[in-house]
Amino acid sequence: GQSLEQPSEVTAVEGAIVQINCTYQTSGFYGLSWYQQHDGGAPTFLSYNALDGLEETGRFSSFLSRSDSYGYLLLQELQMKDSASYFCAVRDSNYQLIWGAGTKLIIKP
Amino acid sequence: DGGITQSPKYLFRKEGQNVTLSCEQNLNHDAMYWYRQDPGQGLRLIYYSQIVNDFQKGDIAEGYSVSREKKESFPLTVTSAQKNPTAFYLCASMVLAGGGRTGELFFGEGSRLTVL
Repeated sequence: GQSLEQPSEVTAVEGAIVQINCTYQTSGFYGLSWYQQHDGGAPTFLSYNALDGLEETGRFSSFLSRSDSYGYLLLQELQMKDSASYFCAVRDSNYQLIWGAGTKLIIKP
Repeated sequence: DGGITQSPKYLFRKEGQNVTLSCEQNLNHDAMYWYRQDPGQGLRLIYYSQIVNDFQKGDIAEGYSVSREKKESFPLTVTSAQKNPTAFYLCASMVLAGGGRTGELFFGEGSRLTVL
């Protein structure tokens, strides 16, 4: 079967750095995406990695290792507004996304 | 501004009734998707379409139906056959190969359906 594993919850302190891991097992792989979803809202796109390595966008970075079927989202200089759920998703050859169950990020002052 | 518009935002339905959720996009995207999200859970694919007049079932299509008569529109009907329809429904679109960041889904604000 196809599956993505990510921690259900992560807690961090405002101003700190947090890493959210994602391991995947899928029949096809064309890239790993990350989305942020605040309570009651819709997911918003954060990043997409098709090749190995680190992609940086402001305070957020995303990493991919295809040989390890592993990726992570790194959030720096955490702010209270970063409190949200974060989803990893794998894109397959048919432009479908296979989603993880999400990681709830709790930020404490 | 381009985007995806879902309506209604909140909907209440009695058991045994069909309801249709609207999804319109002006992003000129070829692919459109319907997802269901239950509290504390991830997204599950109901239906998707990559071209007008064609669509495919996702993982949980039973009790749902869709149409794609226009590129901009992808309405979802929740039928009375859906046993547990109370959920948050999200419509999304994506650029297929040739433009944009493949893997980036654009979402509407969602429709929250409650069965009374």
